[in-house]
Amino acid sequence: GESVGLHLPTLSVQEGDNSIINCAYSNSASDYFIWYKQESGKGPQFIIDIRSNMDKRQGQRVTVLLNKTVKHLSLQIAATQPGDSAVYFCAERPRDDKIIFGKGTRLHILP
Amino acid sequence: NAGVMQNPRHLVRRRGQEARLRCSPMKGHSHVYWYRQLPEEGLKFMVYLQKENIIDESGMPKERFSAEFPKEGPSILRIQQVVRGDSAAYFCASSRKGLNTGELFFGEGSRLTVL
Repeated sequence: GESVGLHLPTLSVQEGDNSIINCAYSNSASDYFIWYKQESGKGPQFIIDIRSNMDKRQGQRVTVLLNKTVKHLSLQIAATQPGDSAVYFCAERPRDDKIIFGKGTRLHILP
Repeated sequence: NAGVMQNPRHLVRRRGQEARLRCSPMKGHSHVYWYRQLPEEGLKFMVYLQKENIIDESGMPKERFSAEFPKEGPSILRIQQVVRGDSAAYFCASSRKGLNTGELFFGEGSRLTVL
């Protein structure tokens, strides 16, 4: 069954502000924790991942934080833009190579 | 370099008919994954294949569903005797041999509607 879940189904953020999307997971044995973005009518797109032995990783305008103590994963998007509107899925990769997705958070950008 | 190609993008079937969904992975990728997505929900893993082998089919329904990835040609997800509950978007993803990151490359999906 699913082992990855999200706290909020919808998040509204003012354009230019930072966005923080949260996720709880239950499988401590996963090698990687990942964030995907899915725009309407399209397939998921990889954003960033983090290995289980790290607690922070930065990309372009995005930062992923992993807190293994409380089994929590977050995605921070700096200076949110209209193009960031999408559904964001956290996911994890157990050691058997498939990727398990959570239910998603819809990010809505306010003008 | 073309991405993952799925066809058809939209498919309409009546109850009891068969649906065949095709997926061509990215060039150089030998591993294919199929996921199903219901409206406003996440992606549920169905099956993971490499050329001529099913590696993990733990997410496949026991009946009516099958998948293959032949030596030549695309991967095919086949649904026999479709029912209304099969209506969903089916996504295919691919990766190189093994998966040493969290990155899968997804196609645009095939949307199945069962009347």
